Formats: sequence, C-alpha cells, structure tokens
Amino acid sequence: GQQVMQIPQYQHVQEGEDFTTYCNSSTTLSNIQWYKQRPGGHPVFLIQLVKSGEVKKQKRLTFQFGEAKKNSSLHITATQTTDVGTYFCAGRRLGFQKLVFGTGTRLLVSP
Amino acid sequence: EPEVTQTPSHQVTQMGQEVILRCVPISNHLYFYWYRQILGQKVEFLVSFYNNEISEKSEIFDDQFSVERPDGSNFTLKIRSTKLEDSAMYFCASSGLAGGPILSTDTQYFGPGTRLTVL
Repeated sequence: GQQVMQIPQYQHVQEGEDFTTYCNSSTTLSNIQWYKQRPGGHPVFLIQLVKSGEVKKQKRLTFQFGEAKKNSSLHITATQTTDVGTYFCAGRRLGFQKLVFGTGTRLLVSP
Repeated sequence: EPEVTQTPSHQVTQMGQEVILRCVPISNHLYFYWYRQILGQKVEFLVSFYNNEISEKSEIFDDQFSVERPDGSNFTLKIRSTKLEDSAMYFCASSGLAGGPILSTDTQYFGPGTRLTVL
C-alpha cells in the first residue's frame, strides 16, 4: 500500500535556528498537504501543494513539492518556541479523497 | 470560522463494550472522514463517507466499525466490541463545499478528537 515517510523523526533546535522536515511517498501524489499538531492537539491545516515543483511561503515557513510529485519539504527559518509541535505531511493520490499521513517530525525549540 | 466538533472529548470503556463517537462536521461540507492516531504515532485513515455511503475505507475499518449520518448534522463512528488496541485518538474531518465540485484538492478540516481508552 501507499507509504509516506518523513525524516527526521525528531529534531531539537535552539530558538533562531532553521529546521527542515522531508516527506517521501512511495507513490506519485495528486497533491500534498501539511499539518501541524501541537502536543495534545489535533492536526491543523497549514498548506496544500498541487503542482510539480511548486514552492509556497507562509511567513517563515517554506513548502516545496518535488518535480516528480513524490516528495515534499517544509523549511522553517529562524524557529521560535511557538513552532513546537509535530509536522505531518499528508498525500493524496489522484481520484482518492483519503489522506495518507506521513510519520511526522516532532520539533522541539529551546529558548 | 466554522469548526468540526466532536463529543465526547474522552471516553473510557471496558473491553467488549460498544462505543459511539460523535462528530458534527462543518455544516456545508459533503465529505466526512474518520481517522485515528494511536499515542505517539501517525494519523491513520479509517473511512470516508459521501452521499450517505462509504466511499473509501482502510483495512483497519473492519466489521467491528460502522459509520452513520443519522440526521443532517451528525456523523458517528461505532465500534461494536472494543479491543484494547482500539485505544487511540479518533479524529473526524470534513471537506467539500456544497454547491461546488468535489475536488481531490479540497482541504480537510479536523475536529479536536475523542480520546478513547479501552480497559
């Protein structure tokens, strides 16, 4: 079945450092969504990428979708303590509504 | 901003008992989903529901599970005979605005979840 992996599993940074999580799918995706989950919380939608090679920015967050539409990345510039949480990518294949979530990257930011 | 709501926030049950988890999707959405997340693990798809029937389901969604839209606002997940391994956070989600096309790019909005503990 479709697998979506993320690396790293966990990252601990000092406030102000950059952070990147990488997402890889075993199958070609129609689109990919990124969610943030705070400890004890639910997944909160961040962004969706649809086009091959697409890059989108949200303030300090930069999202990329690979040319082959099988991988994606999220980069946070100058992390803040409010960035703490687990970041999940979630991919969809063409013709399907269900999201297949990645394994997640847990980010811890120390002040 | 419209939200998906879920009740109860926490349910504790004995193994073998039936539980019903309730969700109120965003009112003008057409697609409804259940996902689960075992503690410390990733979010897993269970089932999607559209036009009063199941449109997709995972291998996790076996005969012990069922979904229903009993009225115009609620969407429920029933587990007939709970097992210890059913302990997890269950998230409801919805997408797809009424009056528009159903797109595979529709954003899914998640509810706050129900924590199910099976003893």
